[in-house]
Amino acid sequence: DSGVTQTPKHLITATGQRVTLRCSPRSGDLSVYWYQQSLDQGLQFLIQYYNGEERAKGNILERFSAQQFPDLHSELNLSSLELGDSALYFCASGPGSSNYGYTFGSGTRLTVV
Amino acid sequence: AQSVTQPDIHITVSEGASLELRCNYSYGATPYLFWYVQSPGQGLQLLLKYFSGDTLVQGIKGFEAEFKRSQSSINLRKPSVHWSDAAEYFCAVDPNQAGTALIFGKGTTLSVSS
Repeated sequence: DSGVTQTPKHLITATGQRVTLRCSPRSGDLSVYWYQQSLDQGLQFLIQYYNGEERAKGNILERFSAQQFPDLHSELNLSSLELGDSALYFCASGPGSSNYGYTFGSGTRLTVV
Repeated sequence: AQSVTQPDIHITVSEGASLELRCNYSYGATPYLFWYVQSPGQGLQLLLKYFSGDTLVQGIKGFEAEFKRSQSSINLRKPSVHWSDAAEYFCAVDPNQAGTALIFGKGTTLSVSS
């Protein structure tokens, strides 16, 4: 157990739908990062939150959004889902500086049908 | 263009043999460098990290990495591979040394034969 908790582990939904993925960071970590892992694109950075504020944005689609709550858990919202959104979505947490390396959760596998 | 390259998509090594996985990066300055391992159905686990200093870095599970500035590389090594090392290995960089985004290579899948 890495200490980073992601729910749900698996999600199957239809095109056009909206889903929410949840992440609880390791105790003491202020930063949450979201990544998408797919066969064709590999691991792509989506977005980072630090203590409730957006800190960095990567290749995140406009249909996707995220937030970090006062208790530091984070949610990634995916809307108007397309088949191509099927992927593993990872959350990682860290102290917010890079002299640690992030701790990853076990991921949410999203299948859009 | 800025990139992280893992030239080997798939490697097969006999159990007990040595292992070297290659990683090259293309950034203006030496970024922070990381190696992660992903077992099937699992998240990514940090094996080791390099920020500066000694070019040989020790990690967990018997892994080490050698940083070569002249070659912009950080290759992962293990003297004797165990069957449980079969997994996917990712090299990653933090190009800005800012703790924002890690940029990952495409990964190398390691198979271990008996």
